[in-house]
Amino acid sequence: GAGVSQTPSNKVTEKGKYVELRCDPISGHTALYWYRQSLGQGPEFLIYFQGTGAADDSGLPNDRFFAVRPEGSVSTLKIQRTERGDSAVYLCASSRAPGQAARPEAFFGQGTRLTVV
Amino acid sequence: SQKIEQNSEALNIQEGKTATLTCNYTNYSPAYLQWYRQDPGRGPVFLLLIRENEKEKRKERLKVTFDTTLKQSLFHITASQPADSATYLCALYSGNTPLVFGKGTRLSVIA
Repeated sequence: GAGVSQTPSNKVTEKGKYVELRCDPISGHTALYWYRQSLGQGPEFLIYFQGTGAADDSGLPNDRFFAVRPEGSVSTLKIQRTERGDSAVYLCASSRAPGQAARPEAFFGQGTRLTVV
Repeated sequence: SQKIEQNSEALNIQEGKTATLTCNYTNYSPAYLQWYRQDPGRGPVFLLLIRENEKEKRKERLKVTFDTTLKQSLFHITASQPADSATYLCALYSGNTPLVFGKGTRLSVIA
């Protein structure tokens, strides 16, 4: 597609449930980022993929959060045993290789608004 | 510890004036710095990138400066318009860290 696509756009789940959030990046972009954004805050880094591997997962808040990108394209962010504090907008972005490309800017999806009740 | 600070949470200016937003960082050696615009309910949109060896970049009514000694970037919007009202985010990339963002400054341009 023309841009980064995230599904679902909204997700309401009960505390303790498992959720999966999907990101479809721009074709050919090797780098993929996940961020979490709360109201009035900037995007908080969660995890960064270069190709299929997680190059940096230092932003994942705890082991309930996990992300995969098995074929170097689509990525899924998985949250186990959701808590009310996980409620936020989850943003995905993709870019060309950030350290090498002449134009490494990130393109963001619209985000998934997760509400844990 | 590493920090990116955008000094103003909110900035109100009169239409036609120049808006100046500040981004300061601590304990980073960025290869480049980017500025993004974010409108409510939408993802950030890239505006400008400036590399560590560049002092200034311009694009239409936008200008970015980068001072690696002061560890600061300034983002200017000249002849501001109400349509420029949005949140503006700075982001850093260094070889050791992924793209990290400041909290943003919410700009309101008043007609």
